[in-house]
Amino acid sequence: QSALTQPPSASGSPGQSVTISCTGTSSDIGNYNSVSWYQQHPGKAPKLMIYEVNKRPSGVPDRFSGSKSGNTASLTVSGLQAEDEADYYCSSYAGNDNYVFGTGTKVTVL
Amino acid sequence: EVQLVQSGAEVKKPGESLKISCKGSGFTGYWIGWVRQMPGKGLEWVGIFFPLNSDTRYSPTFQGQVTLSGDKSINTAYLHWSSLKAADTAMYYCVRYGGATLRDNWFDFWGQGTLVTVPS
Repeated sequence: QSALTQPPSASGSPGQSVTISCTGTSSDIGNYNSVSWYQQHPGKAPKLMIYEVNKRPSGVPDRFSGSKSGNTASLTVSGLQAEDEADYYCSSYAGNDNYVFGTGTKVTVL
Repeated sequence: EVQLVQSGAEVKKPGESLKISCKGSGFTGYWIGWVRQMPGKGLEWVGIFFPLNSDTRYSPTFQGQVTLSGDKSINTAYLHWSSLKAADTAMYYCVRYGGATLRDNWFDFWGQGTLVTVPS
């Protein structure tokens, strides 16, 4: 299966919002609600930020929210803070017990 | 406390075999997955293993290239190569599947990563 498509970069000033898209197909995002998002700081392991499209694990600030429409999922970070600067990856169930990740988006806080 | 602790970094020659490990603590009965991240690149799903019954699934990309296994007595999963290539150079993370079914799932805990280097 092919990787989900994300924009390479996104940016915003502190306090602003940034939205990252994750585009798949009717064989993955469009057919399942198993979309999750991960944050990765340089040299660190990724961290789960959103699961099942729009649920937040305990400890993740409510500034992070997720949504899905058709074959595209989105992650919105509201009230940007310096520590939000990181790479973000989406993931989706892709059928046949397989999962696929997105290409990744580098978020810069200006 | 849920933890995944992986074995240390490895430097191997092309053609050599390697098995890296991921020991889980604070939980049992969960699928354990593996994720590859090549230098400067994104995340790639390798496959998953269920320690309680050794059930295994592979990404089509990695089928035949690696072998997943485990030991339920010590809640440990393994990722094995029989003949390494330079292209296997990457960071490998183990992950715990947080959901109840393979279809409705997410990766809720991650190991610290094992860096595998195979100089060409």
